[in-house]
Parts: sequence; structure tokens; C-alpha cells
Amino acid sequence: QQPVQSPQAVILREGEDAVINCSSSKALYSVHWYRQKHGEAPVFLMILLKGGEQKGHEKISASFNEKKQQSSLYLTASQLSYSGTYFCGTDVHAGGTSYGKLTFGQGTILTVHP
Amino acid sequence: EPEVTQTPSHQVTQMGQEVILRCVPISNHLYFYWYRQILGQKVEFLVSFYNNEISEKSEIFDDQFSVERPDGSNFTLKIRSTKLEDSAMYFCASRDLPGQGVFFGQGTRLTVV
Repeated sequence: QQPVQSPQAVILREGEDAVINCSSSKALYSVHWYRQKHGEAPVFLMILLKGGEQKGHEKISASFNEKKQQSSLYLTASQLSYSGTYFCGTDVHAGGTSYGKLTFGQGTILTVHP
Repeated sequence: EPEVTQTPSHQVTQMGQEVILRCVPISNHLYFYWYRQILGQKVEFLVSFYNNEISEKSEIFDDQFSVERPDGSNFTLKIRSTKLEDSAMYFCASRDLPGQGVFFGQGTRLTVV
């Protein structure tokens, strides 16, 4: 069952902030965040492991709430280069072994205008 | 920076023909994957490969699909008899260890006519 992302689309002006959410109905081993520009491959941003840790990557950070099986991606002081579709990929911890199969959400389209 | 490389970037084939998509994962990675993305849709898991065998596959990955790691560097996806609905972008991906990120190649756009 795929994770659910919200919102479906966000429009920002440069310098504004955004939050993208990812929810799963299943217990998760990890959450991966990717950005994909049109016609290109998904680019790995970061991975959140169960334990509720928050990670940061320049002005992009994320959190993982293990109890709620939710992750949020925070984009601060957005830049034009942040435009793209953001996907969360969830890894379900199955039987103590994770081979890393990711189930992706439907994506959130982020558009940053000057 | 190491990257996953895929060839060809674009493949056009006639319905019913066999195609082989090729990938060179990042050299020290142990887990390999194929995903696909139909235009405008989400990325879908096809198969994972670890320790020279398939570790998991999706419902999409039926008998028409197969994967192989013929040598220490290449990882291939074969579609035996292509169908129109196989048209998609196919991404190869790899990962070092559990708990690490999964890195995607640039993709092969497969068009079945």
C-alpha cells in the first residue's frame, strides 16, 4: 500500500518555506525523500530511519514520527532550483530483513517562482 | 561522485520483441533494483536483487521479465515479449547497506510501438 503525500502541489515564491508530508498505514523501517525534475531520475535527498531522528541537508530537512508512521520534509528559504516533484519512498520492515524495496507516494509538485 | 549508469537512454521497439536494458550499479553496492515510471505517474517497484538472486518482486514483474547480473559490474533487465503497456521510463537503482540511501540511474525510456 503506497504512502500518501500531502499536499499534491505547492506554489511558492523564492524565499518562502514549505512542508511536504508523507503518511503510511504500515510500520516503517525507513523513509526516503527524493526530488525529481521533469524527464530526469529521482535524486536522493535523505533517509530517515525509525527512531524519530531529524536530518538536515542544506536548507532541506526532514523528520520521522515512528509512532504515527509519518514523515515531513521541510524546505526553508526556497530557491528556484527546488522546483520539481518530491517523492517519499517507504521501506516496510519485514521479518527483520529489509532488502530496501521502496514504495513511493504519488508525489508533490513544488513550483518556486522568482 | 559514483553514479548508477544505464544504457541505452532511449529504446524504441516493436510489440512482441525482446529488449534488454543495461545498468552498471555503483561499484561497492550490494543491493540492486529495477523501478519503472509511466509518464506522469509515480515510481513503481519491479524487483530487488541481492546476493545473486531475486529477493523481492512486484506483481508487475511477471514471467515476461527477468534480471541478471552476468558479471561483477552489470545488471540487466530483460523483457521477453514487449507489450504497449510496457512503455515507461525504467530506472535501475542500487544501495550499499540497509539504512543507506537508494541511488537511481538516469533511466531508459522504453517506447513500444
